[in-house]
Amino acid sequence: GDSVTQMEGPVTLSEEAFLTINCTYTATGYPSLFWYVQYPGEGLQLLLKATKADDKGSNKGFEATYRKETTSFHLEKGSVQVSDSAVYFCALHRGGKSTFGDGTTLTVKP
Amino acid sequence: DAGITQSPRHKVTETGTPVTLRCHQTENHRYMYWYRQDPGHGLRLIHYSYGVKDTDKGEVSDGYSVSRSKTEDFLLTLESATSSQTSVYFCAISVKGDSYEQYFGPGTRLTVT
Repeated sequence: GDSVTQMEGPVTLSEEAFLTINCTYTATGYPSLFWYVQYPGEGLQLLLKATKADDKGSNKGFEATYRKETTSFHLEKGSVQVSDSAVYFCALHRGGKSTFGDGTTLTVKP
Repeated sequence: DAGITQSPRHKVTETGTPVTLRCHQTENHRYMYWYRQDPGHGLRLIHYSYGVKDTDKGEVSDGYSVSRSKTEDFLLTLESATSSQTSVYFCAISVKGDSYEQYFGPGTRLTVT
């Protein structure tokens, strides 16, 4: 079946540091790929998405590129802020259902 | 905001009692989902629905049932609650388009004592 593996956390960075959270997936066909973010006490929110190979999703300074050859969708941000502290989930959607990674907790210190 | 509400937001119940959680949406989306979130497990799909009275099982459906008699409501029932069902439950809808991204409700924190 489909699966998503993402970088284990927690990740702690200083403000303005570069962020990478790795995500790889296993799925047949051509799934859509997503990053969601969850702030404490809230549900998940869509951060960015990509629907086909080589697409780049971007939002709020975050980027991720759909790499079919490496089955990856790594999340990056050039300069993180304290307000980016949250849990980040990589996910794929195929056949009417989504599959989520286990989440990576990011803490950004001033 | 996809207009998703969940009720109750918090519940404490005893082992062996039935519990029903409600998810309500205001925008007539066809696909609805129930997930549970536990530390170290991310989100796991319990059941989902692709229309009124059309539902299917997810990866952790044992001990749960669902019903969808109206487009806007998707109910999750724990037939006889157990301590292993203590969790945070999220409802989601999927927006039809080129990617079917999901929008989530605020969650229900359920504690089974």
